[in-house]
Amino acid sequence: DSGVTQTPKHLITATGQRVTLRCSPRSGDLSVYWYQQSLDQGLQFLIHYYNGEERAKGNILERFSAQQFPDLHSELNLSSLELGDSALYFCASSVDEGNEQFFGPGTRLTVL
Amino acid sequence: AQKITQTQPGMFVQEKEAVTLDCTYDTSDQSYGLFWYKQPSSGEMIFLIYQGSYDEQNATEGRYSLNFQKARKSANLVISASQLGDSAMYFCAMRERPGGYQKVTFGTGTKLQVIP
Repeated sequence: DSGVTQTPKHLITATGQRVTLRCSPRSGDLSVYWYQQSLDQGLQFLIHYYNGEERAKGNILERFSAQQFPDLHSELNLSSLELGDSALYFCASSVDEGNEQFFGPGTRLTVL
Repeated sequence: AQKITQTQPGMFVQEKEAVTLDCTYDTSDQSYGLFWYKQPSSGEMIFLIYQGSYDEQNATEGRYSLNFQKARKSANLVISASQLGDSAMYFCAMRERPGGYQKVTFGTGTKLQVIP
């Protein structure tokens, strides 16, 4: 158990819908990262927050957005969902902006 | 050019033998970090080992060691005394700070199967 929690574990929804994925980092970690893992694209970095502030953006679509709240938990919002958004979404946290990231168990999103 | 290259899509190793998983990287940063993660079939990502670009000694964590060759830009993972539970996907990753912001790139992974 990495100490990072993600909810829900599984999510099944339809095209065009909007979903919110939630992540609670390890106690004391200020950085939260979001990743998407799909069969055809591998593990892709989406976005990084540090202490509530957006620090870096990767391959994140405009339909996707995220935020980190004052209690340091983070949410990833996915809207206008498409079939291709079906993937495993990971959240990871680290103490600061360096060194190892600890991953949550992931949220498996299926868009039908 | 790929930032992280893992050339072995799949590998087999006999139980109790050692195995090396290859990883090469490409960066113009002087300060960077290299990581290895394990992903079992259950899906979670497990951090294994970290090597900083300025670390002079190769990182070791139990049965895992990282063979860091800076001039060749390689960061191979060595697993000694393989166990059946080592069967998993293994990802190499690199942290850079272009423009001061951290960026992490993962390789495509190597699927390791340990044979009894």
